[in-house]
Amino acid sequence: DGGITQSPKYLFRKEGQNVTLSCEQNLNHDAMYWYRQDPGQGLRLIYYSQIVNDFQKGDIAEGYSVSREKKESFPLTVTSAQKNPTAFYLCASSPGTSGNTIYFGEGSWLTVV
Amino acid sequence: SQQGEEDPQALSIQEGENATMNCSYKTSINNLQWYRQNSGRGLVHLILIRSNEREKHSGRLRVTLDTSKKSSSLLITASRAADTASYFCATVLSGGYNKLIFGAGTRLAVHP
Repeated sequence: DGGITQSPKYLFRKEGQNVTLSCEQNLNHDAMYWYRQDPGQGLRLIYYSQIVNDFQKGDIAEGYSVSREKKESFPLTVTSAQKNPTAFYLCASSPGTSGNTIYFGEGSWLTVV
Repeated sequence: SQQGEEDPQALSIQEGENATMNCSYKTSINNLQWYRQNSGRGLVHLILIRSNEREKHSGRLRVTLDTSKKSSSLLITASRAADTASYFCATVLSGGYNKLIFGAGTRLAVHP
């Protein structure tokens, strides 16, 4: 089935650790995105990538890093520099050009313990 | 600040009733999209309406767009308990990259 797969669904991180969230899509989409959602809130853009080997900071990129080595993969690393990382993280993709629908994965819950 | 703001923040209705949610935004847009999110799940795309369109339908959903007022509405007719979810509007700005800017959403509860 075509779609966006995020893993893991639930992740616990100790303070001071880096963790990486996986996002894979088989929709052949050029563009991929990472959003963060806090309880009862809308989504805020962390990073986005228009093509392979290119990515841009979103509105809340501090404490996060990404890579786009393959078209289908866009992993997000939450670094120890992110002071409040507990949140729901959503990966998305789109064909890339402005005006296209953006499709979302099922999300990953990250909790700092 | 968020581009899209939904109103009301929460809505509680009975099955069979219609539900209307509104969204306002601040700057010129390329398109506006509505999404649904069940608790703890990803977002499901409902409808995309472009800036040169005024109304779109999809099943029990009707979306309107008034660019002069910078507002949109989502109407769900004959609601069902399964429609219980949060609904978000998101805008793509004119001339910009395909980046969605979300509002905080409307939480809809449909009671049997």
